[in-house]
Amino acid sequence: ETGVTQSPTHLIKTRGQQVTLRCSSQSGHNTVSWYQQALGQGPQFIFQYYREEENGRGNFPPRFSGLQFPNYSSELNVNALELDDSALYLCASSSPGETQYFGPGTRLLVL
Amino acid sequence: GQQLNQSPQSMFIQEGEDVSMNCTSSSIFNTWLWYKQDPGEGPVLLIALYKAGELTSNGRLTAQFGITRKDSFLNISASIPSDVGIYFCALRTASKLTFGTGTRLQVTL
Repeated sequence: ETGVTQSPTHLIKTRGQQVTLRCSSQSGHNTVSWYQQALGQGPQFIFQYYREEENGRGNFPPRFSGLQFPNYSSELNVNALELDDSALYLCASSSPGETQYFGPGTRLLVL
Repeated sequence: GQQLNQSPQSMFIQEGEDVSMNCTSSSIFNTWLWYKQDPGEGPVLLIALYKAGELTSNGRLTAQFGITRKDSFLNISASIPSDVGIYFCALRTASKLTFGTGTRLQVTL
């Protein structure tokens, strides 16, 4: 059984640029959640996708957007990057209402 | 939004010692979760608690769901070097998890 995978592992961008992060869910899971973890903090919920539809959103601006594909993999897109967007971005997959299993994350640095 | 206060913020202990950390919330919830995060990895679920007063063990780890449903604690007995990491409590509501600020555990030989 393959666990949750994320790509890329590290990324450096400059302010104003756009970024796309990718996540492949664990086999059998149809729900993907995205979290932002700033240095020294706990993960903060961005949004969740279930069956290709957004199913809950945290307190993040609209420039954070996402997609889920028919194979349940997902993308997180961030437009107009700001310095404060520098963080570890975590993806978690699950069945609805069940335990969320996290990937290793993508570390984004915005200069 | 929901706040989870986790303490202590960090701990430095010797191998073999027992560890205790706790988490309190400002509201009542039905599920408490404890995760561990190793450097460069995502959080891994250690223990899930679903009922007030529930006491659950996973090897050397023991966690309890407080009677008031506003708190939980995690104990680690006879710590070993691989216990090093950041421990998070979390609450599950609808689609999302809300995490505490974490307890960083360092174990010295």
